[in-house]
Amino acid sequence: RKEVEQDPGPFNVPEGATVAFNCTYSNSASQSFFWYRQDCRKEPKLLMSVYSSGNEDGRFTAQLNRASQYISLLIRDSKLSDSATYLCAVWGQNFVFGPGTRLSVLP
Amino acid sequence: GAGVSQSPSNKVTEKGKDVELRCDPISGHTALYWYRQSLGQGLEFLIYFQGNSAPDKSGLPSDRFSAERTGGSVSTLTIQRTQQEDSAVYLCASSNTGQGYEQYFGPGTRLTVT
Repeated sequence: RKEVEQDPGPFNVPEGATVAFNCTYSNSASQSFFWYRQDCRKEPKLLMSVYSSGNEDGRFTAQLNRASQYISLLIRDSKLSDSATYLCAVWGQNFVFGPGTRLSVLP
Repeated sequence: GAGVSQSPSNKVTEKGKDVELRCDPISGHTALYWYRQSLGQGLEFLIYFQGNSAPDKSGLPSDRFSAERTGGSVSTLTIQRTQQEDSAVYLCASSNTGQGYEQYFGPGTRLTVT
């Protein structure tokens, strides 16, 4: 089993839709969790950290479920500009990135 | 403030040549990471530096790869005797304090081995 796995995607959604991504991790001792977005041929950019209590930043909500060892990212009212690959990152003994889930928001 | 910078942005080299890739982390960041990303693939961890501690080299794919970090700041990733399978984007990231903190990435160096 890979250390960090994500929904395989791609996700193709219409503008205004709500979309959710999941990311599972195998190391139960993992301590820090993050979501990054990566545009085509660009570097990953930090989207948000994921806190135990869950956190929200505008249209984006991240949640952590330690018991089931997954984190999620919810995007509400999706925009064309949200089209990108979303990577989750988990820190346990080292930093591990998931393979990413590609999102295409369609007009 | 200034972000992570990398140079060169693109490098084309012949198989068998050595290459050096440079990373300037965000000022004050003590942790520095190197990753590799092949086309359409995820990030592959290569090496991690934290302050003056011995680097975590567990991700280096072969002994042709090495990296150093001088003065706790600039880092150089060296690939000796490059092979075509080394073609990828090499990304550097830095973070404050150490692992567990948000990483900020540079724009990467796109390496093509012909």
